Amino acid sequence: AAGVIQSPRHLIKEKRETATLKCYPIPRHDTVYWYQQGPGQDPQFLISFYEKMQSDKGSIPDRFSAQQFSDYHSELNMSSLELGDSALYFCASSLITGVETDTQYFGPGTRLTVL
Amino acid sequence: GENVEQHPSTLSVQEGDSAVIKCTYSDSASNYFPWYKQELGKRPQLIIDIRSNVGEKKDQRIAVTLNKTAKHFSLHITETQPEDSAVYFCAAQRPIDYKLSFGAGTTVTVRA
Repeated sequence: AAGVIQSPRHLIKEKRETATLKCYPIPRHDTVYWYQQGPGQDPQFLISFYEKMQSDKGSIPDRFSAQQFSDYHSELNMSSLELGDSALYFCASSLITGVETDTQYFGPGTRLTVL
Repeated sequence: GENVEQHPSTLSVQEGDSAVIKCTYSDSASNYFPWYKQELGKRPQLIIDIRSNVGEKKDQRIAVTLNKTAKHFSLHITETQPEDSAVYFCAAQRPIDYKLSFGAGTTVTVRA
């Protein structure tokens, strides 16, 4: 079965640079979530999109922005990168049935290293 | 928002023994509770989940119980094997926003 795809898998940037992470949800899934996971930490919710509209926002810095496109893929744009932004960034997708909440399936993640 | 607490933070068991991880949540509106297994540098993988209209669910060696009144849920792994060694995260989801609030994780080590 098709899974969530993320690219790139690894990214190395310098401080103050910009990074763009991409996420391709499971086909027919309508919701995308972004999570940030620091070393030894649990995933922290950043932002989510339902049917191409931002649905919720978590602890996402103002330097970060995201959007979901007409083909449902999503991009997380990170500017003025800081050392503390080094982390694993996961995208997850789900199908909101409207009756019950549904399972979030995680992508393989993008490991961002800021030097 | 939702706050999930998870215990213990580390768990070492002998192969073949059982492992139990416990979580509590704060928001009574949460109605979906998945458990994820994460190996180092890999994605969280769903191993089992439970919804608030069910008290217990089992899948082979893994079971989850939910006590809505007490707002806690637990993961039980029986007949542990070395490949069960990983970090396990519990999570809670509210229907208002669907985002997952994770516990801090439990590092499980199964000794051969």
